Amino acid sequence: SQQGEEDPQALSIQEGENATMNCSYKTSINNLQWYRQNSGRGLVHLILIRSNEREKHSGRLRVTLDTSKKSSSLLITASRAADTASYFCAMEDYGGSQGNLIFGKGTKLSVKP
Amino acid sequence: DTEVTQTPKHLVMGMTNKKSLKCEQHMGHRAMYWYKQKAKKPPELMFVYSYEKLSINESVPSRFSPECPNSSLLNLHLHALQPEDSALYLCASSQARDRVYSPLHFGNGTRLTVT
Repeated sequence: SQQGEEDPQALSIQEGENATMNCSYKTSINNLQWYRQNSGRGLVHLILIRSNEREKHSGRLRVTLDTSKKSSSLLITASRAADTASYFCAMEDYGGSQGNLIFGKGTKLSVKP
Repeated sequence: DTEVTQTPKHLVMGMTNKKSLKCEQHMGHRAMYWYKQKAKKPPELMFVYSYEKLSINESVPSRFSPECPNSSLLNLHLHALQPEDSALYLCASSQARDRVYSPLHFGNGTRLTVT
């Protein structure tokens, strides 16, 4: 079944620096999504990249997808203290219940002012 | 602010209590979800409703009982819970469940503590 693994598990940077998080997965996907979760809150959808896309931008976010390596990366440029949150990649689980979104373990990002 | 509203924000209940979690969305979404999230873990899918019909139950114990009274509302009825059921319960909605997956919109969750 599908499973996502984020790397690193935790990341601490200074404001203004770039943050890169990686996600690897096991089985074929239609698309991969990234979500942000502030402490104790719900998840917020950031960006969706389809399997036929290699790169996508949204504001300070840049997502890449390499289907041959079954991996994706999320880059946050010029980070701000408000970017402090956990970031999850998510993809569909075709091995189990079809079409369900399975979340990776997440990367906890801390941006120090 | 989220467009998916969950109530209550916090809930403390004993193991013999019966309580309900509520979720509401007015985005016209036809798929609604319950996720359970333990501390420092990713959300885990519990139930999926599609067009008000239960389409997925991820082997959730019967002490959790979902209900979808209409396309805007989703409830989770709780009975005889165990302390290990303490977690953040997240509701989400999406336009539809199909191959071209539409993003999930989450509420801020109900923090449940079972004593």
